[in-house]
Amino acid sequence: AQSVTQLDSQVPVFEEAPVELRCNYSSSVSVYLFWYVQYPNQGLQLLLKYLSGSTLVESINGFEAEFNKSQTSFHLRKPSVHISDTAEYFCAVSDITQAGTALIFGKGTTLSVSS
Amino acid sequence: DAGVTQSPTHLIKTRGQQVTLRCSPKSGHDTVSWYQQALGQGPQFIFQYYEEEERQRGNFPDRFSGHQFPNYSSELNVNALLLGDSALYLCASSFGQGGTEAFFGQGTRLTVV
Repeated sequence: AQSVTQLDSQVPVFEEAPVELRCNYSSSVSVYLFWYVQYPNQGLQLLLKYLSGSTLVESINGFEAEFNKSQTSFHLRKPSVHISDTAEYFCAVSDITQAGTALIFGKGTTLSVSS
Repeated sequence: DAGVTQSPTHLIKTRGQQVTLRCSPKSGHDTVSWYQQALGQGPQFIFQYYEEEERQRGNFPDRFSGHQFPNYSSELNVNALLLGDSALYLCASSFGQGGTEAFFGQGTRLTVV
């Protein structure tokens, strides 16, 4: 069965600093990869996704993630964070060899941005 | 577009009771998935409904059941509630059984006392 490991439970950073949130998944079979963001008392919002093609994917608000098949990783990065980026971030994987699109989530990383 | 809507937003139930949570998918979506998110954890997949049938199920007991209606809305039922069922229940919708982009609702916060 698929599993997702988010290597850092909490990441505190200062505003305008770069950040990397690390994610590894368990299997090398064909997968789709996702990053979701959750603000307090809200549902999850899709931040970006890798389905195929270019291994570097970007979001509209400056985040990017790189799919590394050999390392089974999908780390999320942002070169300069803002206070408003403070949230919980979840990495998720979907096994495309199975029927349906069940998402397997990691435990999440709390990103805290301070001034 | 109202997006994915869930009701109620909060619910308090007593151990042993039964609960029904409701979800309306985003306009144009026909597939609904349910997730349980315990405090401080990532969401866990419960099951997925497509064409009014359960298509995929996670590792949850039979106390968790669901239904999908012809208008694609869905219900999650939990019987014989346990304290450990306290969680945020999230509904996600997508288009097609193999849809690659899931949109989530705000969730229903269930507290079992």
